[in-house]
Amino acid sequence: GDSVTQKQGQVTLSEDDFLFINCTYSTTTYPTLFWYVQYPGQGPQLLLKVTTANNKGISRGFEATYDKGTTSFHLQKASVQESDSAVYFCALLASSGSWQLIFGSGTQLTVMP
Amino acid sequence: NSKVIQTPRYLVKGQGQKAKMRCIPEKGHPVVFWYQQNKNNEFKFLINFQNQEVLQQIDMTEKRFSAECPSNSPCSLEIQSSEAGDSALYLCASSPDSQNTLYFGAGTRLSVL
Repeated sequence: GDSVTQKQGQVTLSEDDFLFINCTYSTTTYPTLFWYVQYPGQGPQLLLKVTTANNKGISRGFEATYDKGTTSFHLQKASVQESDSAVYFCALLASSGSWQLIFGSGTQLTVMP
Repeated sequence: NSKVIQTPRYLVKGQGQKAKMRCIPEKGHPVVFWYQQNKNNEFKFLINFQNQEVLQQIDMTEKRFSAECPSNSPCSLEIQSSEAGDSALYLCASSPDSQNTLYFGAGTRLSVL
């Protein structure tokens, strides 16, 4: 079945460091992939959406590219700020009776000042 | 800020009590999802609607959970007899169509004592 894997549970960086979060997916359909960010006390917010039509997304300094060959969809940012501290979720739009989002397990990013 | 409005933000119930939460989807979004997010950040799909019709729901939802999205009224999710394991963040999300981006509310945090 469709699935998403995020192996990095926690990432701790200093301001201006480079961010790279791994995500791999498995699906039998053409993937639509998302990165959501969740700040404390809030619901997940859309950060990026990537489809087969546009295999790259850029938003708020974050970039994600999906690679069909390796079925990967990594999130990166050149220079993180303390305000980027949050939980980041990779998600796959999958069909299981009806369309729904399948989320990865999340990566807690902590950026030290 | 999210345009999906969830109330209440916090809900405290005793075991066996009913727990009801509401969601006003973003204007013009006919598709509504409910997810449960546990303390380990795992998301569980509960049910989704298109207009007033249920598209899909999981077994747990069929037994103790009830949900509806009446026209011209907020959507709602109700747990008939709360259990300790129901303690979680309940997220409502809306979308312009069934295969599109989900926009989440801030959630209702349920604590079952």
